[in-house]
Amino acid sequence: GNSVTQMEGPVTLSEEAFLTINCTYTATGYPSLFWYVQYPGEGLQLLLKATKADDKGSNKGFEATYRKETTSFHLEKGSVQVSDSAVYFCALLPPERNEKLTFGTGTRLTIIP
Amino acid sequence: KAGVTQTPRYLIKTRGQQVTLSCSPISGHRSVSWYQQTPGQGLQFLFEYFSETQRNKGNFPGRFSGRQFSNSRSEMNVSTLELGDSALYLCASSWSGSRETQYFGPGTRLLVL
Repeated sequence: GNSVTQMEGPVTLSEEAFLTINCTYTATGYPSLFWYVQYPGEGLQLLLKATKADDKGSNKGFEATYRKETTSFHLEKGSVQVSDSAVYFCALLPPERNEKLTFGTGTRLTIIP
Repeated sequence: KAGVTQTPRYLIKTRGQQVTLSCSPISGHRSVSWYQQTPGQGLQFLFEYFSETQRNKGNFPGRFSGRQFSNSRSEMNVSTLELGDSALYLCASSWSGSRETQYFGPGTRLLVL
């Protein structure tokens, strides 16, 4: 079946550090891939997405590249800020019609000033 | 444009009771999906409604049910509550279904005592 494996947290970094949160997936065909972010006390917000191999999604300084050969969609940011502290979820949507989003377990990120 | 709204935001119930949660999608969105988020299981898909019809269903017992009204607003009902039903219940809407970007509400936090 379809699944998403995320880097286990929590992850703690200093402000301005480089961030990588690993995400790998298992799926048939070419799923769409997403990163969602959940700030404390809030629902999920779409951070970025990619719908085909080699696509790069980007938003708010975050980037992730859809790598079919390694079935990965790692999230990166060059210089994190305290306001980036949140839980990050990687998710996939299979290409089949009426399939549902499958989420990873989430990675809690804390940025220290 | 207003986002997805969920009511109530917080709820405390006792075992054996039932509860109804409400979700109002973004104006014009016709698809509403529900998810349960718990620390142990992460985000799990409950069901999706489109044009008042359930289009997809996750692996939850029959105590969990939902419906969608003609204005696309959706309700989720849980009967005979169990302690394990304590969770954050998230609703997401999209134009026409799970193939498109889903926009999440802030969630309803349910505590079962």
